Amino acid sequence: DIVLTQSPVLAVSLGQRATISCRASQSVSISSINLMHWYQQKPGQQPKLLIYRASNLASGIPARFSGSGSGTDFTLTIDPVQADDIAAYYCQQSRESPPTFGGGTKLELK
Amino acid sequence: QVQLKESGPGLVQPSQTLSLTCTVSGLSLTSNSVSWIRQPPGKGLEWMGVIWSNGGTDYNSAIKSRLSISRDTSKSQVFLKMNSLQTEDTAMYFCARMDYSGDYFDYWGQGVMVTVSS
Repeated sequence: DIVLTQSPVLAVSLGQRATISCRASQSVSISSINLMHWYQQKPGQQPKLLIYRASNLASGIPARFSGSGSGTDFTLTIDPVQADDIAAYYCQQSRESPPTFGGGTKLELK
Repeated sequence: QVQLKESGPGLVQPSQTLSLTCTVSGLSLTSNSVSWIRQPPGKGLEWMGVIWSNGGTDYNSAIKSRLSISRDTSKSQVFLKMNSLQTEDTAMYFCARMDYSGDYFDYWGQGVMVTVSS
């Protein structure tokens, strides 16, 4: 299975930029298609799709969220961070079955 | 709009079988694929399996021997059955729609908490 590694915690100040990284144990890209996706999960809620295929904003997601990366290294950026963004963030790959998730990064306030 | 809702028992005894139902609305199961994903308390997400729009299934090899996913398209329901439950199966269980390319999960149910305990 493809293993996705995320830092467990990221502390950020409101109004600043948050950069959340995800590293895959092998490439999750096919040609120019990057099969990495990002979710936000608040306590007691289901995950919500933020970004699909590395850089595409899901429907209804604010433009302060963006994604980038290719191959094995991917980044979710939140700029500027708002209070409502305090949550856990998960990456997920679909390059190989089974689809796997990173361990999650908990975004905290400094 | 698209909605998914899980239902099932909150408590299951060890070694017993878990049965969950995902009832969907706003979409047809004959043209949409639905996955089950679980999350132990305080931990990350684990994909369990999928029933594709054509009725075929795929399972996570780690639990494949214990898992079965089926559906009733007339009732817009997807079912999960997992046997030989152990305490480590205690988790929130989500059903989620997969996008048409089978890459990501764009609609999720609210989840149902299942505790395995005697």
